Amino acid sequence: DQQVKQNSPSLSVQEGRISILNCDYTNSMFDYFLWYKKYPAEGPTFLISISSIKDKNEDGRFTVFLNKSAKHLSLHIVPSQPGDSAVYFCAARGGADGLTFGKGTHLIIQP
Amino acid sequence: NAGVTQTPKFRVLKTGQSMTLLCAQDMNHEYMYWYRQDPGMGLRLIHYSVGEGTTAKGEVPDGYNVSRLKKQNFLLGLESAAPSQTSVYFCASLTIGVGNQPQHFGDGTRLSIL
Repeated sequence: DQQVKQNSPSLSVQEGRISILNCDYTNSMFDYFLWYKKYPAEGPTFLISISSIKDKNEDGRFTVFLNKSAKHLSLHIVPSQPGDSAVYFCAARGGADGLTFGKGTHLIIQP
Repeated sequence: NAGVTQTPKFRVLKTGQSMTLLCAQDMNHEYMYWYRQDPGMGLRLIHYSVGEGTTAKGEVPDGYNVSRLKKQNFLLGLESAAPSQTSVYFCASLTIGVGNQPQHFGDGTRLSIL
């Protein structure tokens, strides 16, 4: 049973607009959430994270929102740029034993 | 600063052969992890280590063994490769410094079992 779900396998957004990627989780023990960006033939690159004690974290064009009651987080990218085209993975931590990943969302930024 | 380096980058094996994947990190991180990624799937944890000489099973450990003889290296072994182990393997490391820290990943090893 998937504990971290990204229900949109792909998302197409026009350059300059806002990209919103969503992630749902089921395990209440998760205390730290991360977004990774992945290009083909490369490893995942850390993008932004949020602790379960916060509801928002910003870093430049990237903002992550966490709604604990709904067990939902989202990543906002504004404005979207062509270099943002990649697969984005949502991940959650419940302890020392690694991260639990979603299946990823392929973001395509249209010129 | 190389970060996390995985060797080899590509490999093709025949069913039943054995091999070892090497992960090396130069960041003095305490924790290290092995994941696999299959098409259309997220990364799944195979084994991990919280320190030199210690290892533990993750979500999908069957068919794999690991060793962490040195802090900077984490080895993943396939004793008798099976086609179901065809995948992309990622190694990651993590420091247990102050506050929450992200895992840092290597660029992966693409393994095909015929």
